[in-house]
Amino acid sequence: AQRVTQPEKLLSVFKGAPVELKCNYSYSGSPELFWYVQYSRQRLQLLLRHISRESIKGFTADLNKGETSFHLKKPFAQEEDSAMYYCALSSLIQGAQKLVFGQGTRLTINP
Amino acid sequence: DTEVTQTPKHLVMGMTNKKSLKCEQHMGHRAMYWYKQKAKKPPELMFVYSYEKLSINESVPSRFSPECPNSSLLNLHLHALQPEDSALYLCASSQSHRGRTEAFFGQGTRLTVV
Repeated sequence: AQRVTQPEKLLSVFKGAPVELKCNYSYSGSPELFWYVQYSRQRLQLLLRHISRESIKGFTADLNKGETSFHLKKPFAQEEDSAMYYCALSSLIQGAQKLVFGQGTRLTINP
Repeated sequence: DTEVTQTPKHLVMGMTNKKSLKCEQHMGHRAMYWYKQKAKKPPELMFVYSYEKLSINESVPSRFSPECPNSSLLNLHLHALQPEDSALYLCASSQSHRGRTEAFFGQGTRLTVV
């Protein structure tokens, strides 16, 4: 069975400080992992996916298969980064895509 | 148009009512999804449609009945719901049901069952 764990429900850092949101997963197949973000009063949207290996809004995430982790990092936090962040694992069930979300981490950036 | 549109935004219904939630996308996506999100919890998958056929039903009670009339529309018919079914219902779509691609989410319908 697939499972995604985000150990921190809440994370608060000061503007300009580094940010790391933790995500660990459990999956027997080849995982595909995503970070989704939900800003206040906005819809859930993709932030980045491990397969593209790109940086979005200064955020990066590296898939570490040995540690089964996909932590989200940003070297210098900005106030507009305050949001709810979900790590998600995509699996194929009966040929169809299933997204399983972690519990989410609410990130607050203090001025 | 890169949006998934859900109507209504809010719905209050009694336990004996029948209502429907609607979802529409015009991105040419062939996979569409219903998720349920309770307060302070992550979205949980309910149903997956691919090419207008039901692919996944996550053991959802029969009082929730999905329907995909065409590739752009997805409905969720509600009947005899319970107060614990109150939640935010999210619709999503993605380009392909087979590839593990980005899912685009609607704003959701906030449902209250009284």
